[in-house]
Amino acid sequence: QKEVEQNSGPLSVPEGAIASLNCTYSDRGSQSFFWYRQYSGKSPELIMSIYSNGDKEDGRFTAQLNKASQYVSLLIRDSQPSDSATYLCAVNTGTASKLTFGTGTRLQVTL
Amino acid sequence: DAGITQSPRYKITETGRQVTLMCHQTWSHSYMFWYRQDLGHGLRLIYYSAAADITDKGEVPDGYVVSRSKTENFPLTLESATRSQTSVYFCASSETGYMEQFFGPGTRLTVL
Repeated sequence: QKEVEQNSGPLSVPEGAIASLNCTYSDRGSQSFFWYRQYSGKSPELIMSIYSNGDKEDGRFTAQLNKASQYVSLLIRDSQPSDSATYLCAVNTGTASKLTFGTGTRLQVTL
Repeated sequence: DAGITQSPRYKITETGRQVTLMCHQTWSHSYMFWYRQDLGHGLRLIYYSAAADITDKGEVPDGYVVSRSKTENFPLTLESATRSQTSVYFCASSETGYMEQFFGPGTRLTVL
């Protein structure tokens, strides 16, 4: 079992809809959770961080964390074509001072 | 405010040659990381450093060497490049090992 799992997609949503991206992780000791956006040919860009159970909102983005279910998600409201990218989930696994990344979910926002 | 920079941005080399990829950050972050990104594998950690003169192996360290004599620099050396090391290499930095990491623009390396 991979430490951090994401559906590779592509996830296709129409413009204006809500995109829901999901990530599961295996290490119950994980403390920090991050979502990165990566456009093709570019480097990962941090869009959300979450450290405690519940929801965290920032503009059109909401991160949701459920440590009991070992599940973290990212909701993008009012999806725009510019949101089309690969979204990487990253988890600080236990006591290690490093992040483990999922392989990413490709999001396509259609007109 | 340059943040984190990498050089070169593109590099073509031949099998067996030594190659050094440079990473420089201006935030005085304690932690620095090197990743490679390949289709189907995502981002994989090569080496990381918690401070100057402190480095540790990541998931895929074989064939790579790092050093960190200054907080702001973290070079990655391929001692004898192989075709399997063709990849996109990203450097990242973080204030602590638990907090968000910020990535450089990447170096696309091709080994012929």
